[in-house]
Amino acid sequence: DAGITQSPRYKITETGRQVTLMCHQTWSHSYMFWYRQDLGHGLRLIYYSAAADITDKGEVPDGYVVSRSKTENFPLTLESATRSQTSVYFCASSGQANTEAFFGQGTRLTVV
Amino acid sequence: GEDVEQSLFLSVREGDSSVINCTYTDSSSTYLYWYKQEPGAGLQLLTYIFSNMDMKQDQRLTVLLNKKDKHLSLRIADTQTGDSAIYFCAESRPGSGNTGKLIFGQGTTLQVKP
Repeated sequence: DAGITQSPRYKITETGRQVTLMCHQTWSHSYMFWYRQDLGHGLRLIYYSAAADITDKGEVPDGYVVSRSKTENFPLTLESATRSQTSVYFCASSGQANTEAFFGQGTRLTVV
Repeated sequence: GEDVEQSLFLSVREGDSSVINCTYTDSSSTYLYWYKQEPGAGLQLLTYIFSNMDMKQDQRLTVLLNKKDKHLSLRIADTQTGDSAIYFCAESRPGSGNTGKLIFGQGTTLQVKP
């Protein structure tokens, strides 16, 4: 199916564990983004990527790692999960000339 | 503090108009957006306005931009229960390279009563 998909949709993990959230898009969009959504903060940019092998920090990158070995995938890894990383994570993508960013359905992550 | 500010909650009756307001701080923003988020779903782009425009109308939606006051509003005419959702205002900064790198407001929850 065309579009942008995130997996898993829901995840519960323990403090200190490594967890990876997956994002896959089928449009060959150059740009991909990871946001987290928290009450009272809206969405905040964690990391973004302008193309394969090019990534850059957003507003709240600490505690996260990303990679972009293929254009269509942009995984987000929490190296050692903390409770403050409990959030809903959204992946998005957009093309070079697009005025619209397309969002995935989100991953609800709970760190206990 | 937040760069983009929105009121958190708005309640209207079905059939009334809804006006959701947003203020932003960077006068050099290039695009300003309104996204809609339904429960358990991702964000859906409703409309956007380029910074050199004052108004944009798209069916039931009207966006007004006051650059002097750095104020953006979204008017939904004839509000329906299906319009109940969270509405996010967002801005795209110049030099960000792409319009997906956005600064979001906190979101306004719109409740439509039948």
